[in-house]
Amino acid sequence: GAVVSQHPSWVICKSGTSVKIECRSLDFQATTMFWYRQFPKQSLMLMATSNEGSKATYEQGVEKDKFLINHASLTLSTLTVTSAHPEDSSFYICSAPPGQGAGELFFGEGSRLTVL
Amino acid sequence: AQSVTQLGSHVSVSEGALVLLRCNYSSSVPPYLFWYVQYPNQGLQLLLKYTTGATLVKGINGFEAEFKKSETSFHLTKPSAHMSDAAEYFCAVKLGQTGANNLFFGTGTRLTVIP
Repeated sequence: GAVVSQHPSWVICKSGTSVKIECRSLDFQATTMFWYRQFPKQSLMLMATSNEGSKATYEQGVEKDKFLINHASLTLSTLTVTSAHPEDSSFYICSAPPGQGAGELFFGEGSRLTVL
Repeated sequence: AQSVTQLGSHVSVSEGALVLLRCNYSSSVPPYLFWYVQYPNQGLQLLLKYTTGATLVKGINGFEAEFKKSETSFHLTKPSAHMSDAAEYFCAVKLGQTGANNLFFGTGTRLTVIP
């Protein structure tokens, strides 16, 4: 079945540094990927839609300059948290639809970011 | 606009008892509905989905859900809970076949299974 992989699973960084999270579709091509953020014991909130070959579409309230998204190829999207601060600490999850009209999304394992 | 409401943020059942996790949706067009499970510090795994056709859908791990249009519900059930079912469960909705591919998630229900 379709597999989505995220890396790293865990990352700890100092305040002010930038962190890059990768999301790869391993056995299918994804022109679109979605980035979600999940706070402890809460639901997933869509941050942005990553589009291969074009700019990402950000949800209202998400700072595009802080959360840089690059969809460089049909199998890779990256989320870079720039100048990270403790309030950016969260669980970030990417997902991708495995095919047109398939309906469901396949999710990566998630990346837990802790900013000290 | 579409939304999903999960009643009960926390459900506890005894091992072997019936599991019932509630989900109600609102959608202006025929929805696609999903249940996902999340284990600690992991991504989401698809349990089952409803798109069209049979309203009772069966998923993995013995779970099933029934789409009831009249009640705008898509409740998740399992006849007999197992300890390994303890996890967070999310109901999600998509705007049918022609809508955007992103999903809207409910707030989640944490299932605890008591031995």
